[in-house]
Amino acid sequence: DGGITQSPKYLFRKEGQNVTLSCEQNLNHDAMYWYRQDPGQGLRLIYYSQIVNDFQKGDIAEGYSVSREKKESFPLTVTSAQKNPTAFYLCASSWGRADTQYFGPGTRLTVL
Amino acid sequence: GENVEQHPSTLSVQEGDSAVIKCTYSDSASNYFPWYKQELGKRPQLIIDIRSNVGEKKDQRIAVTLNKTAKHFSLHITETQPEDSAVYFCAATRRGAGGTSYGKLTFGQGTILTVHP
Repeated sequence: DGGITQSPKYLFRKEGQNVTLSCEQNLNHDAMYWYRQDPGQGLRLIYYSQIVNDFQKGDIAEGYSVSREKKESFPLTVTSAQKNPTAFYLCASSWGRADTQYFGPGTRLTVL
Repeated sequence: GENVEQHPSTLSVQEGDSAVIKCTYSDSASNYFPWYKQELGKRPQLIIDIRSNVGEKKDQRIAVTLNKTAKHFSLHITETQPEDSAVYFCAATRRGAGGTSYGKLTFGQGTILTVHP
């Protein structure tokens, strides 16, 4: 668990602002993922990356952007185009895209 | 792609009773099925997994069974305790030899388990 960190733990955003959520892992995993979780809901995949400088859209990518410049880092930007961004955001990593995923502690984003 | 359906969405039991959560999957090529537990406000954590070459796996009070013909797998928790209260997620994917990945992990919708003292 300690190999994946997310920051900040809580984030407040004003409408119209972009914010960036940090995800770092020291597990030497190739694949990394971003999920969104709404209260009482399951995990919805936003973006995933299998290798540095490459990433793919998940099921709900609209209004989000990512980068994968380093193997250990996969930041997520929530843009002003995301109409309902208030949610719990989870980052995960795995050796390969079909392998067991290990999750970070999450960031709770609230739009004021 | 793979589709995973999970039932029930909520489950309430008395302490000491057993709880069963069932998942069905659509891709007959899927061969790896992990289960995650997520406590309130916390991260999902792997609790048990099963591969398609076995029909059942146990770890203390939890067990997972797999029926490849029917394409479903189930989580069984015996002698439930209040600390078992959480959201449980199943998932499925296809993995090749040597860790080759053919598809990404697909999650079920989750089951909220409440164990009453």
